[in-house]
Amino acid sequence: GAVVSQHPSRVICKSGTSVKIECRSLDFQATTMFWYRQFPKQSLMLMATSNEGSKATYEQGVEKDKFLINHASLTLSTLTVTSAHPEDSSFYICSATWTRSTNEKLFFGSGTQLSVL
Amino acid sequence: GQQVMQIPQYQHVQEGEDFTTYCNSSTTLSNIQWYKQRPGGHPVFLIQLVKSGEVKKQKRLTFQFGEAKKNSSLHITATQTTDVGTYFCAGRENFNKFYFGSGTKLNVKP
Repeated sequence: GAVVSQHPSRVICKSGTSVKIECRSLDFQATTMFWYRQFPKQSLMLMATSNEGSKATYEQGVEKDKFLINHASLTLSTLTVTSAHPEDSSFYICSATWTRSTNEKLFFGSGTQLSVL
Repeated sequence: GQQVMQIPQYQHVQEGEDFTTYCNSSTTLSNIQWYKQRPGGHPVFLIQLVKSGEVKKQKRLTFQFGEAKKNSSLHITATQTTDVGTYFCAGRENFNKFYFGSGTKLNVKP
């Protein structure tokens, strides 16, 4: 099956620093990537939808200047948490699909656990 | 905006008992998918339902999509300890957006 690689798997940073998370589709071209945030024992909250070559679409309540998303190629999307604060600590996970069809499944990366001190 | 509600939040069963989780959407869905997330892992795709009233089976798992395409269920017959994990439904209303239910955490006691 399709593989999505996400790294780093875990990052600890100081408050005020920026953190970049990468999401790569290894064996297919991902026309669309999604970024989710998951709090402990909770569901995945969609943060933004990223289409290759265009600006990301953010969900209501998600600060686009804080969570910068870049989808420059068909195999790579990045999420940068700018000026991270302790409340940004969470599990971030990306997923990818390869067409804009209604009937495609999501392939998930392994997630990134961000801890901001 | 679209909301996908899922119940129950937790379910503890004895091995061999059945288990069901339900999803309800506030809007009509184009399709719905189900994922399983093991503790410490990432969600893994189980199945997709597209047609109104569709029923699909995978061994001990039975998935249903409601006639109005607003609700869905996952039923596991005779649970095993390997079924432990959190089951999420993900509803899709328009192109490109999946909204996840809150998940049902299943614990199976041997």
